[in-house]
Amino acid sequence: DAGITQSPRHKVTETGTPVTLRCHQTENHRYMYWYRQDPGHGLRLIHYSYGVKDTDKGEVSDGYSVSRSKTEDFLLTLESATSSQTSVYFCAISSRGAPPTQYFGPGTRLTVL
Amino acid sequence: DQQVKQNSPSLSVQEGRISILNCDYTNSMFDYFLWYKKYPAEGPTFLISISSIKDKNEDGRFTVFLNKSAKHLSLHIVPSQPGDSAVYFCAADDMRFGAGTRLTVKP
Repeated sequence: DAGITQSPRHKVTETGTPVTLRCHQTENHRYMYWYRQDPGHGLRLIHYSYGVKDTDKGEVSDGYSVSRSKTEDFLLTLESATSSQTSVYFCAISSRGAPPTQYFGPGTRLTVL
Repeated sequence: DQQVKQNSPSLSVQEGRISILNCDYTNSMFDYFLWYKKYPAEGPTFLISISSIKDKNEDGRFTVFLNKSAKHLSLHIVPSQPGDSAVYFCAADDMRFGAGTRLTVKP
């Protein structure tokens, strides 16, 4: 298994509070991604990173920010959580080879009350 | 806009029979398509891929077919086993995923 961990694995928070999810890898892959999984929508890309301090938006980036200060860590922040951000969040890594296979972490279940 | 679509949310098959999962796409520029498998409470795991220059790729019980003129790909699982019960996602190489198909293989 690719060395990817996510923390916390479960979190319950209240609307309006800030939340930070952490993704840590031991594979030294350049690319890291944050997805959310919701029923009927599959996996939707929130943000991704192609190197330290290099990030870009995905298809559902509103309300989220990311930071990557080290190769191994990619943080996802919800500045002010809303109930619509209740979801399961997955981090993934990739070397963007051919094929560009992604390896996923175990997920974080976030509930915003 | 959904560039990768899986129109069947669920599929149920009998053990030993063939499972066929379908995926449609809109962008002809994709170089690779990938299938991932996801069990409950786990992250997705890579299953099989196909290059856009090929029309078939096989790995054991799993075969992916690509029909470029129809912008359609399918994953065939033969024979299906109860352990194959999971959600299957197709994905394109621009990190877009379909909505997933939940496969249930009945003993």
